[in-house]
Amino acid sequence: AQSVTQLGSHVSVSEGALVLLRCNYSSSVPPYLFWYVQYPNQGLQLLLKYTTGATLVKGINGFEAEFKKSETSFHLTKPSAHMSDAAEYFCAVAGDSGYSTLTFGKGTMLLVSP
Amino acid sequence: DGGITQSPKYLFRKEGQNVTLSCEQNLNHDAMYWYRQDPGQGLRLIYYSQIVNDFQKGDIAEGYSVSREKKESFPLTVTSAQKNPTAFYLCASSAVHGISYEQYFGPGTRLTVT
Repeated sequence: AQSVTQLGSHVSVSEGALVLLRCNYSSSVPPYLFWYVQYPNQGLQLLLKYTTGATLVKGINGFEAEFKKSETSFHLTKPSAHMSDAAEYFCAVAGDSGYSTLTFGKGTMLLVSP
Repeated sequence: DGGITQSPKYLFRKEGQNVTLSCEQNLNHDAMYWYRQDPGQGLRLIYYSQIVNDFQKGDIAEGYSVSREKKESFPLTVTSAQKNPTAFYLCASSAVHGISYEQYFGPGTRLTVT
């Protein structure tokens, strides 16, 4: 069965600083990987996804992630944090079961200070 | 606009009562999902359905029931057997065939049982 580990339940950065949110996965088949963002009391919004092809994936709001098979990682980055980036971020993996279910990590809350 | 609607946004019930949460989508997606979200726990899959009149248990199905009589609707009933029903509930949908398992989420229903 697949699993996802997000390192750090909370990450704090200053506005303008680099954002790095870590995600490691396990999967017995080539994975499909996702990052979602959730603002308070709202649903999840897809930031970006990796399916096949280019390992550096660009998403919305200036975020990007790199799939590294050898490290089983899919870390999310943004060069310069903005106050509006403060939210909870979830990494997810699909692909093991043959169905379209996703396995989510426990989430990382990003705090951005002025 | 295409999307997923969940109603109501907030729901309050007395302990021992069953309650049904609504989820409707107009994305023409075959698959629909219910997740439960608790602080620090990430998203946990309750039930999912890939086709009308068929559904499967997820990781935490005990105390919940669903139906899928129409493609666009996937209501969730939280029964009195659910020991700790207070949580944020998220509905999602996805296409099944040929793509990347990307799920689209509704805005969620926050259920409080006292």
